[in-house]
Amino acid sequence: GPKVLQIPSHQIIDMGQMVTLNCDPVSNHLYFYWYKQILGQQMEFLVNFYNGKVMEKSKLFKDQFSVERPDGSYFTLKIQPTALEDSAVYFCASSLAKDRGHTGQLYFGEGSKLTVL
Amino acid sequence: GDSVTQKEGLVTLTEGLPVMLNCTYQTIYSNAFLFWYVHYLNESPRLLLKSSTDNKRTEHQGFHATLHKSSSSFHLQKSSAQLSDSALYYCALSGVNTGNYKYVFGAGTRLKVIA
Repeated sequence: GPKVLQIPSHQIIDMGQMVTLNCDPVSNHLYFYWYKQILGQQMEFLVNFYNGKVMEKSKLFKDQFSVERPDGSYFTLKIQPTALEDSAVYFCASSLAKDRGHTGQLYFGEGSKLTVL
Repeated sequence: GDSVTQKEGLVTLTEGLPVMLNCTYQTIYSNAFLFWYVHYLNESPRLLLKSSTDNKRTEHQGFHATLHKSSSSFHLQKSSAQLSDSALYYCALSGVNTGNYKYVFGAGTRLKVIA
């Protein structure tokens, strides 16, 4: 089936450094999402993105976070600077939404595990 | 606002017993879709079931659920649990509002099947 790829699968960085998490969504998908899952906890919505713009973001999407998808390439989540509480697995998802009603299935990547020391 | 409630954080069952994971929701969307996603450890979450049709049973891989709009429920069921069903299960809701396709996930229910 359709695949969402995430790079890197695991990254360890020092607090205060910048990190970029990359997502290669399903090729014809239009909507892109980032979710955050702290170890042992539920998956929580961060942000969604459509047509080059952030559509909605949650309280977890701090000012240090940003997303973009330059020229249809990777959909990226950048954290600058990182903090200890940013340690989590970040899941990217994409969906193909149709104008009139939508089938709505999200396709998830396998996650990028971020460890901030 | 929109919300999804999964009251059970952990359900532990003996293999062979029936499974029922509860999901209730609140939404402003008249044509909301309800989903169950399953998340196995070290894998990506994937779709298990989806529905937007009231009172219609939907089935996949031995699991089934029926959307009941009157009670705002979409409970996940299986007649006989297997060890391989152990995973995290998310109930989710989606709808469109002013062009934004929004997804709301429940807190998840961890299903642990024991021998």
